[in-house]
Amino acid sequence: QSVLTQPPSASGTPGQRVTISCSGSSSNIGSNTVNWYQQLPGTAPKLLIYSNNQRPSGVPDRFSGSKSGTSASLAISGLQSEDEADYYCAAWDDSLNGFWVFGGGTKLTVL
Amino acid sequence: EVQLVESGGGLVKPGGSLRLSCAASGFTFSNAWMSWVRQAPGKGLEWVGRIKSKTDGGTTDYAAPVKGRFTISRDDSKNTLYLQMNSLKTEDTAVYYCTTELSVWPIAYLDYWGQGTLVTVSS
Repeated sequence: QSVLTQPPSASGTPGQRVTISCSGSSSNIGSNTVNWYQQLPGTAPKLLIYSNNQRPSGVPDRFSGSKSGTSASLAISGLQSEDEADYYCAAWDDSLNGFWVFGGGTKLTVL
Repeated sequence: EVQLVESGGGLVKPGGSLRLSCAASGFTFSNAWMSWVRQAPGKGLEWVGRIKSKTDGGTTDYAAPVKGRFTISRDDSKNTLYLQMNSLKTEDTAVYYCTTELSVWPIAYLDYWGQGTLVTVSS
């Protein structure tokens, strides 16, 4: 059971826009920034979005993030076949001594 | 170019020990906070723990499932991060990734990741 809640799957056709949600609580998303990771099959996770809505250098502007209260979303516009991957949200959780928490991951299928 | 290369994974029996290493290059390792994250086969990501830079105290933090069994350390002279794992359990079976961590409040994220090393705990 992951601390952050994501839908297990999402899908779309090439060119479509898809969104992936991430729900948390006041101790994590509610008080800290949200990051998103993309994990292509058989590879390590890669930072996709940091600080809610910032893209690292090299990440296409088709990827965008947002946060409101204790929830966050990742949007992918102009869906491409190479976007098929697992996507994870993450945030620092202030409870106890503090620790990183992740969503359970969303498998995105490009139909 | 930032590179993180993990090593030391393998097959170990329950109750056994293993030490993972992560060789870092392409950045000033001594200034970096470093984390370990694991991923059980077919499962999601789970944070294991982290170590701050010596200038920020060099302290460690651990996730509850590994606290008291795992120890994170660093050798800044060798640009290497370590994860000493004792009293291993079958549920510790996972790919272990080392990552760099940036934390400048309110911004914090795990940015660069290694390719991972597989640890299998089985009798």
